[in-house]
Amino acid sequence: GESVGLHLPTLSVQEGDNSIINCAYSNSASDYFIWYKQESGKGPQFIIDIRSNMDKRQGQRVTVLLNKTVKHLSLQIAATQPGDSAVYFCAETSGSGGADGLTFGKGTHLIIQP
Amino acid sequence: SAVISQKPSRDICQRGTSLTIQCQVDSQVTMMFWYRQQPGQSLTLIATANQGSEATYESGFVIDKFPISRPNLTFSTLTVSNMSPEDSSIYLCSVEEGRDTEAFFGQGTRLTVV
Repeated sequence: GESVGLHLPTLSVQEGDNSIINCAYSNSASDYFIWYKQESGKGPQFIIDIRSNMDKRQGQRVTVLLNKTVKHLSLQIAATQPGDSAVYFCAETSGSGGADGLTFGKGTHLIIQP
Repeated sequence: SAVISQKPSRDICQRGTSLTIQCQVDSQVTMMFWYRQQPGQSLTLIATANQGSEATYESGFVIDKFPISRPNLTFSTLTVSNMSPEDSSIYLCSVEEGRDTEAFFGQGTRLTVV
């Protein structure tokens, strides 16, 4: 079936640097996208979302970019901190048969080096 | 944001037995979902828990293996039946307050089948 995937499984950045996590999706009908952060032993935590009628959305230290032409999503984290170390997942609405629920990408493990 | 409590938080079970996981939300929510996260992997949607009717299962998941109840707008259970070691995963409850809105997650139930 259609899926959401990521380019890099692990990303290591220096504390204070900016990081970019990428995600490719294949369902052209997807209209809502979310980035989640998951720390060890916890459930996913919402970071930021974007709808298909937008190409950029900013939050506190985070920016999500959406390129519908190439079905690509990215999460930019500015001035990374040790607490940003986690696994990051992109997700999109399943959009199948009227059912809700999310389709998740594989995940990127972000490591912040001191 | 909704606060979701899952019980148990973890369990070790014998193969062939069943485990029922509870999900309690602190407010009435329209949609509740169950996900599975196998070790080191991403989340996969099991089913949508429908209040007052049978759950809607995703491809690869069946009611006999994962019976779900949702007696009201704040509570749901997922049973993992006739367990095998392959069922060892984290099971997560999620809620959405509307279509294409942020999904909140519980902390998950870490199940180990021996």
